[in-house]
Amino acid sequence: DIQMTQSPSSLSASVGDRVTITCRASQSISSYLNWYQQKPGKAPKILIYATSSLQGGVPSRFSGSGSGTDFTLTISSLQPEDFATYYCQQSYSTPYTFGQGTNLEIK
Amino acid sequence: QVQLVQSGAEVKKPGASVKVSCKTSGYTFTNYYMHWVRQAPGQGLEWVGIINPSGGSTSYAQKFQGRVTMTRDKSTSTVYMELSSLRSEDTAVYYCARGGGGTSADFHYWGQGTLVTVSS
Repeated sequence: DIQMTQSPSSLSASVGDRVTITCRASQSISSYLNWYQQKPGKAPKILIYATSSLQGGVPSRFSGSGSGTDFTLTISSLQPEDFATYYCQQSYSTPYTFGQGTNLEIK
Repeated sequence: QVQLVQSGAEVKKPGASVKVSCKTSGYTFTNYYMHWVRQAPGQGLEWVGIINPSGGSTSYAQKFQGRVTMTRDKSTSTVYMELSSLRSEDTAVYYCARGGGGTSADFHYWGQGTLVTVSS
């Protein structure tokens, strides 16, 4: 199985900050990397797919980059509604594994 | 618009089975694979398996092999996930999730989730 490791596991930041979350795969997954946002009691919501494609309706302050084994999600200027948990996920091969999550909290 | 509507919460005893449904609408049912993902309380996301609604073929995570069965009903555009020999560690919210493309595993659409509680 491909292991996905996110860092940090938790992060405190302020409105307006630039934030970067990283995700590392245990083997190359090409560009088959997706990012999700999850708020308490809700289903995850896809933000970025195929490493850098922004899902429709997602604000442009979210961006993704990387390839192979190392990937990043960047939020250019945090907004109050961005405080949530973020997951990366590889869609390269089954089982389709997720990172452990990054809990983004208000400082 | 694409909608995935899941069945309601379940409470089961250890050793029992549970069957969760996911009724779809807003797209051609047989054109998109459906996945199941679960999330234990306070934990991360775990992929359970996938079904091709067209032919009914399935693939399951090794962890669930022998205990999980995914089926579909083309007449009602509904997919089902049955998990047997339940144990307390199976307590989780179970989601159905559909990819953006036919066979893709980037989950653009999610059901609302079904909480399955396993308790004696």
